[in-house]
Amino acid sequence: EDQVTQSPEALRLQEGESSSLNCSYTVSGLRGLFWYRQDPGKGPEFLFTLYSAGEEKEKERLKATLTKKESFLHITAPKPEDSATYLCAVQAASGGSYIPTFGRGTSLIVHP
Amino acid sequence: ETGVTQSPTHLIKTRGQQVTLRCSSQSGHNTVSWYQQALGQGPQFIFQYYREEENGRGNFPPRFSGLQFPNYSSELNVNALELDDSALYLCASSVRLAGGHNEQFFGPGTRLTVL
Repeated sequence: EDQVTQSPEALRLQEGESSSLNCSYTVSGLRGLFWYRQDPGKGPEFLFTLYSAGEEKEKERLKATLTKKESFLHITAPKPEDSATYLCAVQAASGGSYIPTFGRGTSLIVHP
Repeated sequence: ETGVTQSPTHLIKTRGQQVTLRCSSQSGHNTVSWYQQALGQGPQFIFQYYREEENGRGNFPPRFSGLQFPNYSSELNVNALELDDSALYLCASSVRLAGGHNEQFFGPGTRLTVL
């Protein structure tokens, strides 16, 4: 069974204090790992897709990396507007379907 | 480019009733997935539709059913509502490729409250 574990569950940072969020996964036949940002009461907003170990992607203050067992979302010099829940999902082939499995997310609060 | 839209935004039902939620896919997307997200949890996969047929199903009972229409819009129907069905219901659209799917784009969700 595919599993995705995100840590920490919650993270409080001061503005400018860089940190990393972790997504550990167990999946048979990874077809992609996705990072999303979700604001309260809203749908997840797509951030990155990673397909193979060693791959990295960047967007503004965010950088996502991937190994064979985990992915990190690095946040450099965060601002209060980066406060949100960050979700990780893995996609594996299952009987011809490609169904993402989501983690529970990391709730990030950035204090000014 | 029009994003994923969902209706209604909020809905209040009583236990035992039936509900239909609607979703319009992003332009050019041929696959629709539905998720249930309880407070403080990640989205839980309900089912996925590709070319109007169910293409995968999560661990949800048969009273959760769906449809995909030729224009790739979709409906989620839930019969015999239970209190635990209260959640944010998310629709996501994507493009099915030969090696899998590209990223999913989510709608704003429908907040369902069952009393």
